[in-house]
Amino acid sequence: KAGVTQTPRYLIKTRGQQVTLSCSPISGHRSVSWYQQTPGQGLQFLFEYFSETQRNKGNFPGRFSGRQFSNSRSEMNVSTLELGDSALYLCASSEPLSEQFFGPGTRLTVL
Amino acid sequence: AQKVTQAQTEISVVEKEDVTLDCVYETRDTTYYLFWYKQPPSGELVFLIRRNSFDEQNEISGRYSWNFQKSTSSFNFTITASQVVDSAVYFCALSEAGGAQKLVFGQGTRLTINP
Repeated sequence: KAGVTQTPRYLIKTRGQQVTLSCSPISGHRSVSWYQQTPGQGLQFLFEYFSETQRNKGNFPGRFSGRQFSNSRSEMNVSTLELGDSALYLCASSEPLSEQFFGPGTRLTVL
Repeated sequence: AQKVTQAQTEISVVEKEDVTLDCVYETRDTTYYLFWYKQPPSGELVFLIRRNSFDEQNEISGRYSWNFQKSTSSFNFTITASQVVDSAVYFCALSEAGGAQKLVFGQGTRLTINP
């Protein structure tokens, strides 16, 4: 099976812009989770989607949002970008109640 | 609240040495899962192991072994006869049974294996 894929791999944006990141899960996985990784805060959970419904949400402002499509692909959106949003964004997919498999990440730089 | 602590920020050893990465966790749940992930320089998190809170059996997989002790809330990871390819950042993580897909990660331990 192909692994989790994320696009794009690298992004450079300026403050105030918005960005959309995409994640394609492993075939058959219906759960998709998103994490933010920064040197200061480490790995932090953003949200999880299962069957097109947000099932869990981390402690992030409303500027961070996501959605999941019927084919389990997921997107996350960050509006009004801030310098502190610069991070590696990781997507993970899993079968219900099973371990998560991660994609290579999207490295976002906000200037 | 759940919390995972990896007190060792960085470890550096010479190849073929054994090395143990420590992980201590906090949770109020009686049912939970513990994980170890490896993050090589490429950035992708690689799944290594998952244990549930009712299974305290130690596990060995090749050069890797894991010691789970509920009495001390620890889930330590040992690499035997380390190799340069083991160099990476290793993360311990915890999830509760109800929200099993929400992982709480430790800060990670950067392991460097020198030839």
